[in-house]
Amino acid sequence: SSELTQDPAVSVALGQTVRITCQGDSLRSYYASWYQQKPGQAPVLVIYGKNNRPSGIPDRFSGSSSGNTASLTITGAQAEDEADYYCNSRDSSGNRGVFGTGTKVTVL
Amino acid sequence: QVQLQESGPGLVKPSQTLSLTCTVSGGSISSGGYYWSWIRQHPGKGLEWIGYIYYSGSTYYNPSLKSRVTISVDTSKNQFSLKLSSVTAADTAVYYCAREVRSILYNWFDPWGQGTLVTVSS
Repeated sequence: SSELTQDPAVSVALGQTVRITCQGDSLRSYYASWYQQKPGQAPVLVIYGKNNRPSGIPDRFSGSSSGNTASLTITGAQAEDEADYYCNSRDSSGNRGVFGTGTKVTVL
Repeated sequence: QVQLQESGPGLVKPSQTLSLTCTVSGGSISSGGYYWSWIRQHPGKGLEWIGYIYYSGSTYYNPSLKSRVTISVDTSKNQFSLKLSSVTAADTAVYYCAREVRSILYNWFDPWGQGTLVTVSS
């Protein structure tokens, strides 16, 4: 399957830790990248490669992978982290880009 | 730093061809090493990868759209373009252009354009 499945929504208390998962067969072969999207804005890359953050992304964002599951962890969630998060990878052929179904993160 | 900006009509009639251009500034498409991509997002929905072009002109399209999609590049203008033919209301979406890094084990999109809403309606 070339799909990437995410939980539709998760909530986290301010300052606590939340993990967002992304499942798909292609993740056994390829690393996922992660994007944050706030309403009315373009997605922003937050994690790429094995566990790399672009310049300007806080170190409370981290990524990991095991088997067919990639994870994005926010350690010490802040109010400004409330957003939709999408994973991305490729299908099993390695050619087609695939995005996850998206997870809405609510910070309580 | 590299910036991308989409441009094109915000309204397209059904059965016509949607045409968008992405202008790249702060870097050259011709320098190579990157894949120049189009991604769309239906209202209130998730992201859908449309396809990419390399500076050499090689392309790859989402099989679900392949019969209707053409992506081209104009290195002299530092632009790449999307054409989607025979559009219907189902093609109404925000269209993003983005620069993609690809290697054997990973890929990512950064930066993205701000996105442009294209509505298909008569």
